[in-house]
Amino acid sequence: DGGITQSPKYLFRKEGQNVTLSCEQNLNHDAMYWYRQDPGQGLRLIYYSQIVNDFQKGDIAEGYSVSREKKESFPLTVTSAQKNPTAFYLCASSIMSGVSNYGYTFGSGTRLTVV
Amino acid sequence: QKEVEQDPGPLSVPEGAIVSLNCTYSNSAFQYFMWYRQYSRKGPELLMYTYSSGNKEDGRFTAQVDKSSKYISLFIRDSQPSDSATYLCAMSPSMIQNALIFGKGTTLSVSS
Repeated sequence: DGGITQSPKYLFRKEGQNVTLSCEQNLNHDAMYWYRQDPGQGLRLIYYSQIVNDFQKGDIAEGYSVSREKKESFPLTVTSAQKNPTAFYLCASSIMSGVSNYGYTFGSGTRLTVV
Repeated sequence: QKEVEQDPGPLSVPEGAIVSLNCTYSNSAFQYFMWYRQYSRKGPELLMYTYSSGNKEDGRFTAQVDKSSKYISLFIRDSQPSDSATYLCAMSPSMIQNALIFGKGTTLSVSS
């Protein structure tokens, strides 16, 4: 079955530690996105990529980094510079089309907690 | 003024009720409108998709877009306990793919 796989489902980070969240899709989608979701805040865009080896900052990119070396993969690193990383992280993908916007397919999310 | 406004609720209704969920927006360039449903601790799933103005119906769900008022709605008929979730509106300005802009979500609880 096609879809987006995020791993791990739960992740614990110590203060000052970098952690990487995995996102893999087998939908052959061109674009991929990372969102952060906090209670009462909705979805906030961290980074997005419309093509391999290219990505753009979203609204809250500080303290995060990404790479897009393969079409299928878009890992997110939460660095020690991110002062409040505890949140639910969602990865999404979509078809790039000049005709229509088909919306996103989301993964099941990774819940990151600072300990 | 935020680009997309959505009442967070929570909204509690009895089983069988008609539910109305709404979003307002400020950017008149928005053309694509979507509703996502998100169950607790899960990723959102696309529920309804509408281009420009008008209505779209899918089973118990109806999506309405009123571009003149910059207002979109999702109606749920004969609501069920399984409809209990957070509903997020999302919209995008153009044919070329842009990052969707989401509302904050409305939490719905349907009691049996």
